[in-house]
Amino acid sequence: GEDVEQSLFLSVREGDSSVINCTYTDSSSTYLYWYKQEPGAGLQLLTYIFSNMDMKQDQRLTVLLNKKDKHLSLRIADTQTGDSAIYFCAESMDSNYQLIWGAGTKLIIKP
Amino acid sequence: EPEVTQTPSHQVTQMGQEVILRCVPISNHLYFYWYRQILGQKVEFLVSFYNNEISEKSEIFDDQFSVERPDGSNFTLKIRSTKLEDSAMYFCASSPTGGRTYEQYFGPGTRLTVT
Repeated sequence: GEDVEQSLFLSVREGDSSVINCTYTDSSSTYLYWYKQEPGAGLQLLTYIFSNMDMKQDQRLTVLLNKKDKHLSLRIADTQTGDSAIYFCAESMDSNYQLIWGAGTKLIIKP
Repeated sequence: EPEVTQTPSHQVTQMGQEVILRCVPISNHLYFYWYRQILGQKVEFLVSFYNNEISEKSEIFDDQFSVERPDGSNFTLKIRSTKLEDSAMYFCASSPTGGRTYEQYFGPGTRLTVT
C-alpha cells in the first residue's frame, strides 16, 4: 500500500534554513502537502504542490518535488523560534482525496 | 479567518460506552472527513462524507463507527461500544468545492481516552 516516510527530528540554528524531507511510494499521487502542528494545536495546512509541478514558493517556504525519486522537501528560510513544530508530509490522489500521512518531523530550533 | 471547531477537546469514557465527537466544519465547505492519530502512530484516514453520504471509508471504519450531519452545521462521529484501542486524537477536516476540494482544513482535535 501507499507509504510516506519522514525523519523524526531536525535540529537547526535560529536564522538558518531548515530542510525537511519526505519520500512517498505511490506514483499516482496527485497532491502533496505540508501540514504544521504546534504543541496542543491542530493540523495547519501550510502549503501543497501538484504532482505536475517541480517547485512552489510561498514567502519563506519553498517546496521541491522530485517525482522521479518520489521525494518532497520543505525548505524554511531564516528559521525562527515560532517555526518550532511538527511538520507532516501527506499525499492524496484525485480520485478520493484521502490523505496518507508521514509520521511527522519535529523541528527543533537552537538559539 | 473561518476555522473548523471540535468539541469536546478531551473526552474520557469507559470501555463499552458510546461516544459522540462533534465537529463544526467551515461554513461553505461541503466535504467532511474524520482522521485519527493513535499516540506514537501516523495520522490515519477514517471516512469522508459528501452530500449526506459516505464517499470513502477505510478498513478501520467498521460497524462500530458512524457519521452524521444532523443539521446544517454539525458533523459527528459516533463510536459505539468503545474499546481501549479506540483511545486516540480524532481530527475533523473540511474541504471547499470550486476545484479546491484537495485542500483539507483541520480542527484542533478531540482526545479520546477509553479506560
